Amino acid sequence: GAVVSQHPSRVICKSGTSVKIECRSLDFQATTMFWYRQFPKQSLMLMATSNEGSKATYEQGVEKDKFLINHASLTLSTLTVTSAHPEDSSFYICSAHAPSSGSLYTGELFFGEGSRLTVL
Amino acid sequence: AQSVAQPEDQVNVAEGNPLTVKCTYSVSGNPYLFWYVQYPNRGLQFLLKYITGDNLVKGSYGFEAEFNKSQTSFHLKKPSALVSDSALYFCAVRGDYGQNFVFGPGTRLSVLP
Repeated sequence: GAVVSQHPSRVICKSGTSVKIECRSLDFQATTMFWYRQFPKQSLMLMATSNEGSKATYEQGVEKDKFLINHASLTLSTLTVTSAHPEDSSFYICSAHAPSSGSLYTGELFFGEGSRLTVL
Repeated sequence: AQSVAQPEDQVNVAEGNPLTVKCTYSVSGNPYLFWYVQYPNRGLQFLLKYITGDNLVKGSYGFEAEFNKSQTSFHLKKPSALVSDSALYFCAVRGDYGQNFVFGPGTRLSVLP
């Protein structure tokens, strides 16, 4: 299947700093990527849809100034957690549709390995 | 609005026994249904999907799922469980109006040796 790479897998930072997480589609072009947040023992919460060449679409309740998303190319989307605080500690996962998996609406999502953010 | 229910937080099964992880859904239009598995501190891995056609869908690692339109269910099954199947399983649905994926709360499967 298609490969989505996410980096870093783990990051620990001090409160007030910013952290950037990268999501790359390694063998396909992704015009749309998705960013999720997962709390312990809970399901995935969609944060935003990242669109190549345009602004991201944020879900209700997600602060767009806190979670900056940039989709600069067809293979890279980044999530920057700005001025991170302990409550931002979580597992962040990106995903994308691969064209070979079907249409945009029927194809499965391929996920990155996730990034565990710990804010001290 | 779309929704997915996985009524069991935890399923325990002995190795070698059949396993079932339940999923029911609600969606506008035709459902596109998916199962994913997540191992600790990892992303989600695709197992199988139902788009159209046969109600019984076969996927990775010996898993299969049965689409039941009347019961709006898409239960995940495996004839003989392995200890290595122990993980968190997510059911997801998408409607045919281009809506986003909606994931269920997840079911933790423990296969006991």
